[in-house]
Amino acid sequence: AQSVTQLDSHVSVSEGTPVLLRCNYSSSYSPSLFWYVQHPNKGLQLLLKYTSAATLVKGINGFEAEFKKSETSFHLTKPSAHMSDAAEYFCVVSEDSSNTGKLIFGQGTTLQVKP
Amino acid sequence: SQTIHQWPATLVQPVGSPLSLECTVEGTSNPNLYWYRQAAGRGLQLLFYSVGIGQISSEVPQNLSASRPQDRQFILSSKKLLLSDSGFYLCAWSVDRGNQPQHFGDGTRLSIL
Repeated sequence: AQSVTQLDSHVSVSEGTPVLLRCNYSSSYSPSLFWYVQHPNKGLQLLLKYTSAATLVKGINGFEAEFKKSETSFHLTKPSAHMSDAAEYFCVVSEDSSNTGKLIFGQGTTLQVKP
Repeated sequence: SQTIHQWPATLVQPVGSPLSLECTVEGTSNPNLYWYRQAAGRGLQLLFYSVGIGQISSEVPQNLSASRPQDRQFILSSKKLLLSDSGFYLCAWSVDRGNQPQHFGDGTRLSIL
């Protein structure tokens, strides 16, 4: 069965410093992995997706993530945090390859950006 | 391009009243559709999903039901709301095959009094 664990419930960085949000996954097949961002009282926005192509995935707003099969990790990074990056971030794995398209969500990491 | 509309944005209802939340998708056909609930400060819980008209799968037993009367319309309903039904409700769609991302609406904040 598939699962995803976000290792930090809360991360605090200063504006202009790097961001690292950690995610480990467990899967019995080659999964697709995603990162989503949610600002307060808004829906989830897709940041990036890994679907078995390049292991380093670039997303929107300067974010990127690297798929490491040997470590079963899919950490999200950004070189320089901006105040507007403060939000909730979800690491997500596809449940299976069937046509239901169901996803499994991590519990989320709250990113705080200090001026 | 595809868009998803969800309304209303906020809703305040008394306990015991009925509920109807609507979600529509434009720019695609035969999408998979999903309803989630997000409790305050917590992750997402999948409530229902649908892979076609009239096809509804329920993920958890609860006081809610879902219907899909048209290809791109997904409705979340309740006959009698409970206090525990409060939360942030999100509708999402994806293409009808596996390993694809879901795309979310802006959500409905439901408060039960």
